Amino acid sequence: DTEVTQTPKHLVMGMTNKKSLKCEQHMGHRAMYWYKQKAKKPPELMFVYSYEKLSINESVPSRFSPECPNSSLLNLHLHALQPEDSALYLCASSQKSGGVVGNEQFFGPGTRLTVL
Amino acid sequence: KQEVTQIPAALSVPEGENLVLNCSFTDSAIYNLQWFRQDPGKGLTSLLLIQSSQREQTSGRLNASLDKSSGRSTLYIAASQPGDSATYLCAGLIANAGGTSYGKLTFGQGTILTVHP
Repeated sequence: DTEVTQTPKHLVMGMTNKKSLKCEQHMGHRAMYWYKQKAKKPPELMFVYSYEKLSINESVPSRFSPECPNSSLLNLHLHALQPEDSALYLCASSQKSGGVVGNEQFFGPGTRLTVL
Repeated sequence: KQEVTQIPAALSVPEGENLVLNCSFTDSAIYNLQWFRQDPGKGLTSLLLIQSSQREQTSGRLNASLDKSSGRSTLYIAASQPGDSATYLCAGLIANAGGTSYGKLTFGQGTILTVHP
């Protein structure tokens, strides 16, 4: 099973709302990622979790708050977002072995977020 | 800073044609290179992964090569079909000085492929 699942598929929220995106994988991967993709652009890395600990934060605004409650789950909590945050949010995972965060990254279908 | 460039930006071919997509990167300290396919509004599907120690990988009608010394990778698609129409992205996983990686994929801008019947 090489599936990464994401919920919800679509999300519309106001600038004062608080919402969360969820990502799940059952491949035993120990590295999980959040990417943001604007229209007609490649994905841009936001966060990397390795063994449930945050290892990379690509200078993401604090209105995005990641959480990794266990090795299979990754959440992205959203608060006070701006319209320019509207994008496709992609989750990915990969194996981590030998102290190396590498190998093949598998992506989920994404959550299409619209901020009004 | 690693930069990844893909040429061409868009490609339109008739069904049955063999084609090559190009990817170049500026930093040879690359741990692996991954080719993805993305359909409109969808997530990324991993097509092929080439480790830095490898020169090529094959899966069905797809063949990807990697030349670290020249900073280039190519994705060859044989006997193209309309179902191959999608955006193809290459992405490099950066290696740090210790030879491991930070887990950050650096993506090219993609090649939009259209295969018409």
